[in-house]
Amino acid sequence: EVQLVESGGGLVQPGGSLRLSCAASGFSFSSYNMNWVRQAPGKGLEWVSYISSSGSNKYYADSVKGRFTISRDKATNSLFLQMNSLRVDDTAVYYCARTPDWGTLDYWGQGTLVSVSS
Amino acid sequence: QSALTQPASVSGSPGQSITISCTGTSSDVGSYNLVSWYQQYPGKAPKLIMSESSKRPSGVSNRFSGSKSGNTASLTISGLQTEDEADYYCCSYGDNYDFLFGGGTKLTVL
Repeated sequence: EVQLVESGGGLVQPGGSLRLSCAASGFSFSSYNMNWVRQAPGKGLEWVSYISSSGSNKYYADSVKGRFTISRDKATNSLFLQMNSLRVDDTAVYYCARTPDWGTLDYWGQGTLVSVSS
Repeated sequence: QSALTQPASVSGSPGQSITISCTGTSSDVGSYNLVSWYQQYPGKAPKLIMSESSKRPSGVSNRFSGSKSGNTASLTISGLQTEDEADYYCCSYGDNYDFLFGGGTKLTVL
């Protein structure tokens, strides 16, 4: 069974940093591209970042470019999102999601809440 | 403002059919057969219910069907059931190594 479990969310002040993790199991993690998608309270879904299966290709939404960094570790089957210079409008539930191909996110984690507030 | 345009809400009675549209541009929805649809219940993670415009993942009810014409993709739910009441999101490859989402449609089953 495919499982994605996010962790690392919490309350942080504007300008602060946070590192999210996503533990993957039930599939060959190193064979799949992965993404982070977020959802602000009461709002819709917003794609944040993509990383290829090898880790060599990384893409970001304009709203987080230069502040967030996506990475992965095949030894621990984990996906990460390093978030720096956090802003109030980064407040959201962050989901990790598996991508079999561009345009499709076939499995999602349960999400982790990031709150940015003073 | 979302990249793809969906109606904010749709409604229908049990047993009826409804269709949710998702309009993009010739650079995204119109260029690729890479539109997917997600169902989300309050407080839950989204669930894939349609990929590549019209492919239904294993386990998804055949009451759900998808199509695409030009720059607009559509999700049709036939034989509406109360359990279908949820938010629905479309998503497309955006031609710039990104994913574009619609703003979401709240389905109410009356």
